[in-house]
Amino acid sequence: GESVGLHLPTLSVQEGDNSIINCAYSNSASDYFIWYKQESGKGPQFIIDIRSNMDKRQGQRVTVLLNKTVKHLSLQIAATQPGDSAVYFCAENSGAQKLVFGQGTRLTINP
Amino acid sequence: DAMVIQNPRYQVTQFGKPVTLSCSQTLNHNVMYWYQQKSSQAPKLLFHYYDKDFNNEADTPDNFQSRRPNTSFCFLDIRSPGLGDAAMYLCATSRDGNRGNEQFFGPGTRLTVL
Repeated sequence: GESVGLHLPTLSVQEGDNSIINCAYSNSASDYFIWYKQESGKGPQFIIDIRSNMDKRQGQRVTVLLNKTVKHLSLQIAATQPGDSAVYFCAENSGAQKLVFGQGTRLTINP
Repeated sequence: DAMVIQNPRYQVTQFGKPVTLSCSQTLNHNVMYWYQQKSSQAPKLLFHYYDKDFNNEADTPDNFQSRRPNTSFCFLDIRSPGLGDAAMYLCATSRDGNRGNEQFFGPGTRLTVL
């Protein structure tokens, strides 16, 4: 069946350092992926997405990498700031108008 | 600003007492979703509407129902809340749910069951 999972449940980085959050998926037919950021007490917020016909996509301070060979994607956040502290979810649009979420990684930025 | 609004933000109910959570959207999106999210877990889809078509997830308990009287509003009804139903309930919308169309989430309603 479909599943989207994360390698690490927690990640701590120093302010100003880069962070990398990883995600594995099992459905080789998956062709669209989204990263969401969820701050405490708030709903998930869209960060960046990527289609399977791309290997890399960049946004403001964020980059998503997709490796279809090993069914892995990652979110890189450059020069982390205190406001980056949150739980990050990868999600796959499985078709049928639905998202499949990974388990989430809690990112903590240390001053 | 166009957005997804959920009311109330916090809801307290008693064990077994029916409760209704509401969601409204100004995005004019076709698809509306209800998710349940428990502490330190990913959102779990309960059901969604594509326009007026209701789509229930296979593992959503019968205790959970939904209504969508018009494009803008969608309600989550919990007929007999149990202690295990305490969670954050998230509403989301999507233009048509297809790949490439992100889901926009509301701030959530945190439900406490006493």
